[in-house]
Amino acid sequence: KQEVTQIPAALSVPEGENLVLNCSFTDSAIYNLQWFRQDPGKGLTSLLLIQSSQREQTSGRLNASLDKSSGRSTLYIAASQPGDSATYLCAVVSSNTGKLIFGQGTTLQVKP
Amino acid sequence: KAGVTQTPRYLIKTRGQQVTLSCSPISGHRSVSWYQQTPGQGLQFLFEYFSETQRNKGNFPGRFSGRQFSNSRSEMNVSTLELGDSALYLCASSAVGGLAGQETQYFGPGTRLLVL
Repeated sequence: KQEVTQIPAALSVPEGENLVLNCSFTDSAIYNLQWFRQDPGKGLTSLLLIQSSQREQTSGRLNASLDKSSGRSTLYIAASQPGDSATYLCAVVSSNTGKLIFGQGTTLQVKP
Repeated sequence: KAGVTQTPRYLIKTRGQQVTLSCSPISGHRSVSWYQQTPGQGLQFLFEYFSETQRNKGNFPGRFSGRQFSNSRSEMNVSTLELGDSALYLCASSAVGGLAGQETQYFGPGTRLLVL
């Protein structure tokens, strides 16, 4: 059974810092891995999607990497801003079930 | 282009009642997926519909059901509500469809259901 874990559960950093969020999954049989952002009381916004054959994706200040063999992904945020404060969710699509399986998320607070 | 819309945004029901939630996908999107989000269990996949057919289903009891109409709008129904059904229910759409999550999904704001 695929399980997705995100560490840490919460993170507080001063504005301007570069930071890394971690995601691990137990079964390497995945179609892709996605990173989402969720603001309080709102739905999810897709940030980056990495296909299983890819190693990384970049969008602006965000860079996500994927190491399928070790079951790990990282989301790197450069030069963090207060507007980056949100919950970041990692999810994988299992090749066996086709279902999107989410981690519990990392709640990020960026202090001005 | 308008995003995914969900109605109602908030809902209060009592145990034993039933509820229907609605989701309108982005115009042109044919795949609609539903998720339940709770503090304890996190985000869990409920089901996915494509061209009016349920293509994939999560591990939820039969009290949870859904359907999709010819215009791709989808409804989700929960019968005989229990306290544990209190959650944020999120709908997501994607363009071409394929198994849910194989392409970028666009989420609606969710419907927050409180069961008393």
